[in-house]
Amino acid sequence: DTEVTQTPKHLVMGMTNKKSLKCEQHMGHRAMYWYKQKAKKPPELMFVYSYEKLSINESVPSRFSPECPNSSLLNLHLHALQPEDSALYLCASSQQRGAYGYTFGSGTRLTVV
Amino acid sequence: GESVGLHLPTLSVQEGDNSIINCAYSNSASDYFIWYKQESGKGPQFIIDIRSNMDKRQGQRVTVLLNKTVKHLSLQIAATQPGDSAVYFCAVSSTGNQFYFGTGTSLTVIP
Repeated sequence: DTEVTQTPKHLVMGMTNKKSLKCEQHMGHRAMYWYKQKAKKPPELMFVYSYEKLSINESVPSRFSPECPNSSLLNLHLHALQPEDSALYLCASSQQRGAYGYTFGSGTRLTVV
Repeated sequence: GESVGLHLPTLSVQEGDNSIINCAYSNSASDYFIWYKQESGKGPQFIIDIRSNMDKRQGQRVTVLLNKTVKHLSLQIAATQPGDSAVYFCAVSSTGNQFYFGTGTSLTVIP
């Protein structure tokens, strides 16, 4: 298995909703990442997990809450989002943090209404 | 952090021609570089990488050139095909750190 699987592919949520994005990989990668990508822009790093521990939080608002239950799973819990949070949320993994190429999932297209 | 830029935001080429996409970076400590291709509705896909101890690396129809002196990276695509139409990002990291992505170049291949 050489894929990163993200669910759901599309999500529409209201500003008072609570939802979660899920990411799964079975390549034995020990680093996992959340990126946010707005239209026609590059991916922007949000969080980095290394060996299931949060190692980087790029000053992301607390309405985004990451969780890494085990080495194969990465979640992003969403609460009280704003319309400007609408974007493509990408999960990626790598063998270890840093000097290895990432494998990206196809992303979750999030729309906040 | 890392400042990563691309010289051209869009590029149109005729099918069969060669394409060159450029990327400039600012951190002289950067030592690992990757080119990604992103098609509409998909996540970025790894194309080719290069480490700072090399100045050229070739793959299938793609070549990456690295000039550390001027902190410049390029991706050359030979015999460009319609399936090459996508947005191309360079990504740059220094040892043990995360990648930062460049602005992106949208490549359109004209049949």
